[in-house]
Amino acid sequence: GMPVEQNPPALSLYEGAESGLRCNFSTTMKGVQWFQQNHRGRLITLFYLAQGTKENGRLKSTFNSKERYSTLHIKDAQLEDSGTYFCAVELNNYAQGLTFGLGTRVSVFP
Amino acid sequence: AQTIHQWPVAEIKAVGSPLSLGCTIKGKSSPNLYWYWQATGGTLQQLFYSITVGQVESVVQLNLSASRPKDDQFILSTEKLLLSHSGFYLCAWRGTGPYEQYFGPGTRLTVL
Repeated sequence: GMPVEQNPPALSLYEGAESGLRCNFSTTMKGVQWFQQNHRGRLITLFYLAQGTKENGRLKSTFNSKERYSTLHIKDAQLEDSGTYFCAVELNNYAQGLTFGLGTRVSVFP
Repeated sequence: AQTIHQWPVAEIKAVGSPLSLGCTIKGKSSPNLYWYWQATGGTLQQLFYSITVGQVESVVQLNLSASRPKDDQFILSTEKLLLSHSGFYLCAWRGTGPYEQYFGPGTRLTVL
């Protein structure tokens, strides 16, 4: 199977709502990075986690390497949260770069 | 602070024509450098990586090649474009070790 499975493929939220995204990994990963890609294609780093939980404003991410998953939680969704969210991991030698999930397209409606 | 630039911003090219995309990183010496490709509506796929000047490793070639002529420069090129080369090309860097990657603004390529 895919080394990184990301769910859901798409998510619709009203402003003020909250929801979560999840990535499952086929094997133990050393770290995970979460990105938001905006409508111009710009990839914005949200979090890098080697373990545990990080919070930044309305976003919170958790990485459990033993259970092989990571989550991204959006609280009080705003219109600017719309975009595609990707998780990405280092599969082998870190020098080889990141393997990305298929992404979650998030649409926030007023 | 480190900055990463990509050029051009966008290109429209004919099938069979050559291509050269560039990426420059300022403010970081000896970075690991990466090229990624993204089809419209798709995810990112690694193409090449380089850990030092003159050395480039291929992950997925897609009939493209890459070179690292200087410590801060990474070039992606081909002699003959295919329709399947259309998409979004992103360059990224990181320091040595398990640190996060930082991405450039990308180049949007349309092959007609």
